[in-house]
Amino acid sequence: RKEVEQDPGPFNVPEGATVAFNCTYSNSASQSFFWYRQDCRKEPKLLMSVYSSGNEDGRFTAQLNRASQYISLLIRDSKLSDSATYLCVVKEYSSASKIIFGSGTRLSIRP
Amino acid sequence: GAVVSQHPSWVICKSGTSVKIECRSLDFQATTMFWYRQFPKQSLMLMATSNEGSKATYEQGVEKDKFLINHASLTLSTLTVTSAHPEDSSFYICSAEGGGSNQPQHFGDGTRLSIL
Repeated sequence: RKEVEQDPGPFNVPEGATVAFNCTYSNSASQSFFWYRQDCRKEPKLLMSVYSSGNEDGRFTAQLNRASQYISLLIRDSKLSDSATYLCVVKEYSSASKIIFGSGTRLSIRP
Repeated sequence: GAVVSQHPSWVICKSGTSVKIECRSLDFQATTMFWYRQFPKQSLMLMATSNEGSKATYEQGVEKDKFLINHASLTLSTLTVTSAHPEDSSFYICSAEGGGSNQPQHFGDGTRLSIL
């Protein structure tokens, strides 16, 4: 089983739709969680950190469920510019950081 | 926000050449830097983790003599691809974090390496 698993997609949704991604992680000791987006041929960019209480940034909402070991990302009122690959990132931290990336979920917003 | 600069952004060179890529954290001290490579339509693959002043930790299957990593200061890490061959052509990305369990990574712009 992969340490971090994501549905690879692609998700193809119309502009204005709401879309949600899930990501599961295997290590219950994982401490920090993030969503990144990566555009084609570009580096990943931090979208948002994910907090236990859930957090929202404009049209984006992230949730963490430690009991079930998954995190989610919800995008409301999707825009064409939201088309990208969304990467789930899990961080384990003991004496040093261990960062684990999901393989990414491709999202394509159509007009 | 935190800025990570990576240089060069694009390299084209002959087979057998060694190529050095720099990764700098511009406005924070990076206790840990990471080097990734990514092939087209594939996910990021972690190559190695480097901590300032110590030897890098390489992932399984990554040749340490082929990919030399130096992290001499808290703001600079370098990756040298030695005697590069066409199969080394890829997108190399560095990232840096300042330390702490809840700190995200910040990525450099990436280096597109093409070996002819």
